[in-house]
Amino acid sequence: DTEVTQTPKHLVMGMTNKKSLKCEQHMGHRAMYWYKQKAKKPPELMFVYSYEKLSINESVPSRFSPECPNSSLLNLHLHALQPEDSALYLCASSQGGPNTEAFFGQGTRLTVV
Amino acid sequence: KQEVTQIPAALSVPEGENLVLNCSFTDSAIYNLQWFRQDPGKGLTSLLLIQSSQREQTSGRLNASLDKSSGRSTLYIAASQPGDSATYLCAPSGNTPLVFGKGTRLSVIA
Repeated sequence: DTEVTQTPKHLVMGMTNKKSLKCEQHMGHRAMYWYKQKAKKPPELMFVYSYEKLSINESVPSRFSPECPNSSLLNLHLHALQPEDSALYLCASSQGGPNTEAFFGQGTRLTVV
Repeated sequence: KQEVTQIPAALSVPEGENLVLNCSFTDSAIYNLQWFRQDPGKGLTSLLLIQSSQREQTSGRLNASLDKSSGRSTLYIAASQPGDSATYLCAPSGNTPLVFGKGTRLSVIA
């Protein structure tokens, strides 16, 4: 099983709303990632968690707040977003360590109105 | 900072052709390189992972090569099919994991 599950698949939120994206994997992977992908652009790294600790934050605005409650679950909390934050948000996981294969979920399509 | 370039940006071929997608990267200090496929509006599907110590990796009709010292990788697709139509992304991993190129958009015409 190489499945990474993201919910919801689609989300529309207002600029004053608070919402959360969820990502789950049951492969025993110890590294989890959030990427943001704008239309016709490549995915861009936002955060990396390694062994449930935040190891990389690519200078992401504080209106995006990641959380890793356990080794299987990764959340992205959203607050006071801007329309330009509309994008496909992708979650990935890997076994951990630099030589391991990463597996991606199907993404959450976020629209900020 | 790692920069990844993929050539061509788009490719349209008739069914049955063999084709080569190119990927180049500026920082050769990588641990591995992954090739992904992405269908419109969907997530990424991992196709192949090549470790930095390897030169080639094969899966079915796909063959990927890596020349780490020159910062190049190629993805070879044999006997292309309409179902291969998608965007193909390469992503080397070094100190920053999975830095993506802009991809090659492939259309295979029946």
